[in-house]
Amino acid sequence: GDSVTQMEGPVTLSEEAFLTINCTYTATGYPSLFWYVQYPGEGLQLLLKATKADDKGSNKGFEATYRKETTSFHLEKGSVQVSDSAVYFCALYPNSGTYKYIFGTGTRLKVLA
Amino acid sequence: SQTIHQWPATLVQPVGSPLSLECTVEGTSNPNLYWYRQAAGRGLQLLFYSVGIGQISSEVPQNLSASRPQDRQFILSSKKLLLSDSGFYLCARRYNTEAFFGQGTRLTVV
Repeated sequence: GDSVTQMEGPVTLSEEAFLTINCTYTATGYPSLFWYVQYPGEGLQLLLKATKADDKGSNKGFEATYRKETTSFHLEKGSVQVSDSAVYFCALYPNSGTYKYIFGTGTRLKVLA
Repeated sequence: SQTIHQWPATLVQPVGSPLSLECTVEGTSNPNLYWYRQAAGRGLQLLFYSVGIGQISSEVPQNLSASRPQDRQFILSSKKLLLSDSGFYLCARRYNTEAFFGQGTRLTVV
């Protein structure tokens, strides 16, 4: 079945450091891929998305590229801020007739000043 | 707008008591709706999803149930809560391929 695997956390970085959170997926067909962010005590917010191979999603300095050849959708940011501290979830929507989203387990990011 | 309203925001309930969490959504009609649970420090567990009024698919057998009495209303219920039902409950809707989430209900069973 479809699945999403993302790197274990927590990830602790200093402010202005480079961030990478790895995400790989398995799916039949051509899923849409997402990164969601969850701040403490809140629901999930869509951070960025990509709907087909080689698409690059970007928002608030974060980027991720849909790599079909490596089945990956790694999240990157060139310079993190304390306000980026949150839990990040990689997810896919199969686009294959099922209505279920598949989420990774989440990666907690802590950015220190 | 694909706004999702969830209430209450927090809830403390004794073991064995009933539960009713309500979710209402704005936006396009006949949305796909979802209930997720997030245990402390854990990922998201899909509990139920619905593709229309009265249509509920259960993902995890447990003492919870869901109902969809109206197009934009999705209710999560339990007749008798267990300690293990504690968690953060999130309602979501699908719009195109994106999922939109409510702000969640933090349930503590004591």
